[in-house]
Amino acid sequence: SAVISQKPSRDICQRGTSLTIQCQVDSQVTMMFWYRQQPGQSLTLIATANQGSEATYESGFVIDKFPISRPNLTFSTLTVSNMSPEDSSIYLCSVEVEGRQETQYFGPGTRLLVL
Amino acid sequence: DAKTTQPTSMDCAEGRAANLPCNHSTISGNEYVYWYRQIHSQGPQYIIHGLKNNETNEMASLIITEDRKSSTLILPHATLRDTAVYYCIVRVAGNTGKLIFGQGTTLQVKP
Repeated sequence: SAVISQKPSRDICQRGTSLTIQCQVDSQVTMMFWYRQQPGQSLTLIATANQGSEATYESGFVIDKFPISRPNLTFSTLTVSNMSPEDSSIYLCSVEVEGRQETQYFGPGTRLLVL
Repeated sequence: DAKTTQPTSMDCAEGRAANLPCNHSTISGNEYVYWYRQIHSQGPQYIIHGLKNNETNEMASLIITEDRKSSTLILPHATLRDTAVYYCIVRVAGNTGKLIFGQGTTLQVKP
């Protein structure tokens, strides 16, 4: 498996501000993803973080609102821009590990509350 | 990716086997069945996956029907720590990567 850490683990932010969430993995991974889990809901994929190129976004998510970086094989960031209370969610990164591409591992999540 | 149908909630007595069903009647021949669970306030945890044969690991067993239209996840001796939301997901293994989560089954293990 892979050990995945996310920073911050939780935050309370004011509307109109932006927050950058970091995801660090302890091993090289083939793919990294960002998910959102709104209160009481299931997980929804935001985008696939591609190393060295622009992320691939799912329908309903755009780069201006959720810019993503992935500078190397083990690190990615997700920024939630110009936040509103509707952005209050848990944001999770996940990875597929080299040699075990059939399995996806999830980080502990970042709990965001926007006031 | 094929859609799955799961009961909203289930109860199980501690120490007994928990059998969680999943229907995936539109599954394609190259789609795998995956199970994840999410314990409250944590990220989802991979449990098991299979294509058409039954699978077993240290956490659970996966029984897939011969026509592959349904499956059952079995936790042989449920404990209170198995209380979680269990997600059955169908996806093509390999290139696509993304998981489509439904609402899952909330399993409550009771003493």
